[in-house]
Amino acid sequence: QKEVEQDPGPLSVPEGAIVSLNCTYSNSAFQYFMWYRQYSRKGPELLMYTYSSGNKEDGRFTAQVDKSSKYISLFIRDSQPSDSATYLCAIRGSAGNKLTFGGGTRVLVKP
Amino acid sequence: DTAVSQTPKYLVTQMGNDKSIKCEQNLGHDTMYWYKQDSKKFLKIMFSYNNKELIINETVPNRFSPKSPDKAHLNLHINSLELGDSAVYFCASSQDVGTGKNIQYFGAGTRLSVL
Repeated sequence: QKEVEQDPGPLSVPEGAIVSLNCTYSNSAFQYFMWYRQYSRKGPELLMYTYSSGNKEDGRFTAQVDKSSKYISLFIRDSQPSDSATYLCAIRGSAGNKLTFGGGTRVLVKP
Repeated sequence: DTAVSQTPKYLVTQMGNDKSIKCEQNLGHDTMYWYKQDSKKFLKIMFSYNNKELIINETVPNRFSPKSPDKAHLNLHINSLELGDSAVYFCASSQDVGTGKNIQYFGAGTRLSVL
């Protein structure tokens, strides 16, 4: 079993729909949770960063962390074609810099 | 100005060759990383350096050797290239070490194809 599991998709939605992405993880020592967006042939860029359980909102993006279930989510409201990309969750423990990534979910927002 | 830059962007080579990929960051960060992303988009850490000191060394064949001449540069040398080395290699950098917020900034990647 991988430390971080993520559905690879692809996830295809019409423009304006809500995109719902999630990851599960196995190690309860993980403390920091991130979502990266990766456009085709580009490097990952950080979208959201959370530490504690609960919700964090930034514009059209909401990150949710449920440490008791070891489950994290990313919601994209009012999705746009420019949101079409691969979304990677990344998780880190309390010490050290090692990020463990999920395999990424490819999202396609159709106009 | 590109924050984390890698060269070359594309690298096509024959099995058995030796090649190097270079990375430079102008963010003033102390820590740099090499990741490998396979065809299924799975991104995995290979190495990390903090102020020229190796701090993460995952299970990677010893044909891969990182080198950090200074904290702004981290190069990756690969000996005796194999077909399975074909992947996209990403360099990244971050400011904080240890606890606390650690945001990693990635380069655009080097697409390596071994024929």
